[in-house]
Amino acid sequence: GENVEQHPSTLSVQEGDSAVIKCTYSDSASNYFPWYKQELGKRPQLIIDIRSNVGEKKDQRIAVTLNKTAKHFSLHITETQPEDSAVYFCAASKTSYDKVIFGPGTSLSVIP
Amino acid sequence: SAVISQKPSRDICQRGTSLTIQCQVDSQVTMMFWYRQQPGQSLTLIATANQGSEATYESGFVIDKFPISRPNLTFSTLTVSNMSPEDSSIYLCSVEEVGANNEQFFGPGTRLTVL
Repeated sequence: GENVEQHPSTLSVQEGDSAVIKCTYSDSASNYFPWYKQELGKRPQLIIDIRSNVGEKKDQRIAVTLNKTAKHFSLHITETQPEDSAVYFCAASKTSYDKVIFGPGTSLSVIP
Repeated sequence: SAVISQKPSRDICQRGTSLTIQCQVDSQVTMMFWYRQQPGQSLTLIATANQGSEATYESGFVIDKFPISRPNLTFSTLTVSNMSPEDSSIYLCSVEEVGANNEQFFGPGTRLTVL
């Protein structure tokens, strides 16, 4: 089955700097890659996703890139703010209406 | 997106007992899933709740321990049976709406503590 790995497990950046989280997946049939943000004590929230027919996607300060050949994808957060502090999970899925498999998570701390 | 609620939000239970968690959605959804999140850990998929048929369980999870029902397109239950302290965790349901094209959204979770 699908296996998603994620690095780093913890990341600390100064406010205003950029943060990058990298993930790899094992199943070449996966074609949907969402990213979730989970603040302490709250539910995971979908913040951005990318599909296999796209190499990069941006939404304001957040961008995701996908390299299907290498089976890895990344989350980039620019101009980080304290409210970006949270645990971020990458995930992978094969098709619509299919299960989503999560990576182990990255705890991001943005230092004011 | 759909509004998802779970009951109870939290509970403290004695070992050997069972707890049923409810997940209610305010609109019909195609897919419903149950996840477990142990303290400081990632989300682990327990099973896919299938409407009108038996749930599809992931490796390491069995129906006798985690029976699941999904009687219609807006409601599902997960029972944690014969609980032990190792079952202490947050249990979350997630849904994929019609036409959502893979996007899944989570309920608020149920925090379970087993003594």
